[in-house]
Amino acid sequence: AQSVAQPEDQVNVAEGNPLTVKCTYSVSGNPYLFWYVQYPNRGLQFLLKYITGDNLVKGSYGFEAEFNKSQTSFHLKKPSALVSDSALYFCAVRDVTGGYNKLIFGAGTRLAVHP
Amino acid sequence: NAGVMQNPRHLVRRRGQEARLRCSPMKGHSHVYWYRQLPEEGLKFMVYLQKENIIDESGMPKERFSAEFPKEGPSILRIQQVVRGDSAAYFCASSPAGTAFLYEQYFGPGTRLTVT
Repeated sequence: AQSVAQPEDQVNVAEGNPLTVKCTYSVSGNPYLFWYVQYPNRGLQFLLKYITGDNLVKGSYGFEAEFNKSQTSFHLKKPSALVSDSALYFCAVRDVTGGYNKLIFGAGTRLAVHP
Repeated sequence: NAGVMQNPRHLVRRRGQEARLRCSPMKGHSHVYWYRQLPEEGLKFMVYLQKENIIDESGMPKERFSAEFPKEGPSILRIQQVVRGDSAAYFCASSPAGTAFLYEQYFGPGTRLTVT
């Protein structure tokens, strides 16, 4: 079965420092991986995706993610954090078994960026 | 181009009543997905629909819950005889037709259901 793990409930980082939010996955077949961000009382906003190609994927708001097949990881990164980046971040994998394409989400990681 | 629209944004129901949640996908999108988010948890898939067809309802409880996406009009998630455990945020997402697995899903703002 497809699954996603986000091992950290919360990540704290000082403004201006680099940030990493971790994600590991388990899939049979090729992984289709996504990162979304959720602000309080809002829906999810798409940040970036990995389908195929370069292992380093660039997305919205200066975020990027590195796909590592050997470690089955897809960590989200940003070189310099902003206070406005504080939000809930979700990693997801697309379950394409049976021809369907629902998203399987991790439990989420709360990012807190301190001034 | 309007995004995914959901209404109502907030819905309060007493135990035993019915809840109807509506979702209008983005223009040009014919795939709709419903997810549920319990407090402090991630999103859980419920159902995947295309126009007039339920493609995958493996995440939807067998009783009291139903979903439809008619030829005309929004997708509806219906919860009959609501219980307190149904209190959650319900999100709708949509994606284009075609090679759907290549596309990200676009999420609506959600409907927050509170059962009293």
